[in-house]
Amino acid sequence: DVKVTQSSRYLVKRTGEKVFLECVQDMDHENMFWYRQDPGLGLRLIYFSYDVKMKEKGDIPEGYSVSREKKERFSLILESASTNQTSMYLCASSLGGFEYNEQFFGPGTRLTVL
Amino acid sequence: GENVEQHPSTLSVQEGDSAVIKCTYSDSASNYFPWYKQELGKRPQLIIDIRSNVGEKKDQRIAVTLNKTAKHFSLHITETQPEDSAVYFCAALNAGGTSYGKLTFGQGTILTVHP
Repeated sequence: DVKVTQSSRYLVKRTGEKVFLECVQDMDHENMFWYRQDPGLGLRLIYFSYDVKMKEKGDIPEGYSVSREKKERFSLILESASTNQTSMYLCASSLGGFEYNEQFFGPGTRLTVL
Repeated sequence: GENVEQHPSTLSVQEGDSAVIKCTYSDSASNYFPWYKQELGKRPQLIIDIRSNVGEKKDQRIAVTLNKTAKHFSLHITETQPEDSAVYFCAALNAGGTSYGKLTFGQGTILTVHP
């Protein structure tokens, strides 16, 4: 069974703080993704990575950065958190190569920025 | 880039009725269309998918249809049950080149099945 875990289920931070969200998968997947989920907007892709140290911008990368130093771990960084980054953040992973592969999601981190 | 529109945003049905959720996509090169279900407080999970070389796919009470000419695809749930209540997301992908499995999701549909 694929297992995707995220470091926190709930997080409360102050405006201007640096925030780290971590995602770990245990199935040796090449691809990893970070989404934010907001009501009425669906799942919007922030960044994705198809290999260690490789990253690509998604649809809404502004205000975020990512790091992938190890294959199993993909970190999302908010350099200076703002209130409009209050959201649910979901990590996902999938096998590489053949793009029909299913994406497996983590449980999500609900981030509140005060 | 790809744009996926999903309707309706909310859908309320009685147990036993059918439910239909529709999505349109913009990129004619998209060739893979998965549907994810997210129950309250849980993670999204794949429930069914369809590739562009197939017009319809069924799995027990759920089915997906694809019209490539019109660039739309739909999820059909028959004999709905309360446990079908969830948020449903459609998505599209151009599985080729350097897509790296990058999906574009619709806005989601909140389905409520009343007992």
